[in-house]
Amino acid sequence: GQQVMQIPQYQHVQEGEDFTTYCNSSTTLSNIQWYKQRPGGHPVFLIQLVKSGEVKKQKRLTFQFGEAKKNSSLHITATQTTDVGTYFCAGWDYGQNFVFGPGTRLSVLP
Amino acid sequence: ETGVTQTPRHLVMGMTNKKSLKCEQHLGHNAMYWYKQSAKKPLELMFVYSLEERVENNSVPSRFSPECPNSSHLFLHLHTLQPEDSALYLCASSQEGGLGYEQYFGPGTRLTVT
Repeated sequence: GQQVMQIPQYQHVQEGEDFTTYCNSSTTLSNIQWYKQRPGGHPVFLIQLVKSGEVKKQKRLTFQFGEAKKNSSLHITATQTTDVGTYFCAGWDYGQNFVFGPGTRLSVLP
Repeated sequence: ETGVTQTPRHLVMGMTNKKSLKCEQHLGHNAMYWYKQSAKKPLELMFVYSLEERVENNSVPSRFSPECPNSSHLFLHLHTLQPEDSALYLCASSQEGGLGYEQYFGPGTRLTVT
C-alpha cells in the first residue's frame, strides 16, 4: 500500500535559522497537502499542491511538489517561536487513498 | 476555531465500558472523517463518510463503530476497548469526500482505556 515518509523526524533550530522538512511517497501522488499541528492542538491545513514542480509561498513558508509527484518539501525561512509544532504532509494517490506522513516535529530555541 | 467540535474532550473508560464520541461540524461540509493519533504513529484514517454514507473503513476493529446520522454529525461508538486503543481521536470534515479538498479538524478527544 501507499507509504508516506518524512525526514527529519525531529528538528531543533535556533530562532532565525531556516528549516526544511521533506516528504516522500512510495507511489505517485495526485496532490499533496501540508498541515501544522501545534503542541496540544489539532492539525490545521496549510496548503495543497497539485501540479508537477509546483512551488507555492506563504510569507516565510515555501512549499514544493516534485517533478515526479512523489516528493514534496516545506521550507521555513528565518524561523520564529510561533513556528513550533509538527508539520505533516498528506497525499492522495490515484487509487483514492489518503495517507498522512509521520510528521516532522520542529522546536525553535529563542 | 469552532468549525468542528468534539465532545468529550477527555475520556477515561474501562475495558468493559461502552461510550460514544461525538463530532459536529458547522461548515456545511458533506464529508466527515475519524482519525486515530497515537504517540508514535502517523495519523491513521479510520472511517470516511461522504453524504452520510460510509465510503472507507480502513480495517478498523469492530469494537469501533461509526455512525453518521446526517452530514453535520458523526459518532464513534466504543465498546470493549483495549489499552492500546488509548489515543487522541480526531474528527475532520471537508467540503466533499475525495481528493483535492482540505480537511478541517476538531480539537480531538483524548481517550484513555484502563
